[in-house]
Amino acid sequence: GENVGLHLPTLSVQEGDNSIINCAYSNSASDYFIWYKQESGKGPQFIIDIRSNMDKRQGQRVTVLLNKTVKHLSLQIAATQPGDSAVYFCAEKLGGTALIFGKGTTLSVSS
Amino acid sequence: KAGVTQTPRYLIKTRGQQVTLSCSPISGHRSVSWYQQTPGQGLQFLFEYFSETQRNKGNFPGRFSGRQFSNSRSEMNVSTLELGDSALYLCASSLDRAGAKNIQYFGAGTRLSVL
Repeated sequence: GENVGLHLPTLSVQEGDNSIINCAYSNSASDYFIWYKQESGKGPQFIIDIRSNMDKRQGQRVTVLLNKTVKHLSLQIAATQPGDSAVYFCAEKLGGTALIFGKGTTLSVSS
Repeated sequence: KAGVTQTPRYLIKTRGQQVTLSCSPISGHRSVSWYQQTPGQGLQFLFEYFSETQRNKGNFPGRFSGRQFSNSRSEMNVSTLELGDSALYLCASSLDRAGAKNIQYFGAGTRLSVL
């Protein structure tokens, strides 16, 4: 299943589906955005990043889309696997190095 | 290459006590940032250190402090602990070089429980 547009605190999908996790960021001047994945008992793990001069960036099975007009960021995960189950956070950076994190989305993948 | 190491992993303290948490960054990383993670407030920035100097500070009371040593290792201290300080404290390090992406890599955190 896919959910587009709204931030959802939880997202449940079937193995093999594509997942879309959404995030609204706060500052229109933010110039750098990152997606992190946090598994239980671990710290956030870097997934993919994008600079504000881009609107799309692809990695391995993941794509990040940036819409600066509405201050919206999304993470697309292709062919979601059980190992993708985790909490996903978007973060923005404004100039300096402090990251401002969004509310997380818990992704649950059932096989 | 070893990742960010935080010690201890778990701590239990009582109200009014103080606590010191330690963070060893990835080798070669020069910047260390600290974050507090709670279910209610999420991940919040505490402070950032570079070259033994605090470069940036979040919106936390003065009971929260930190420092960085010449080898880039960092400690944070919380004095006069309150129940609300119970949280996962995360440390992140980054290369912090001009032209580099300076991605922040996180440790597993220290889980602090204040009773």
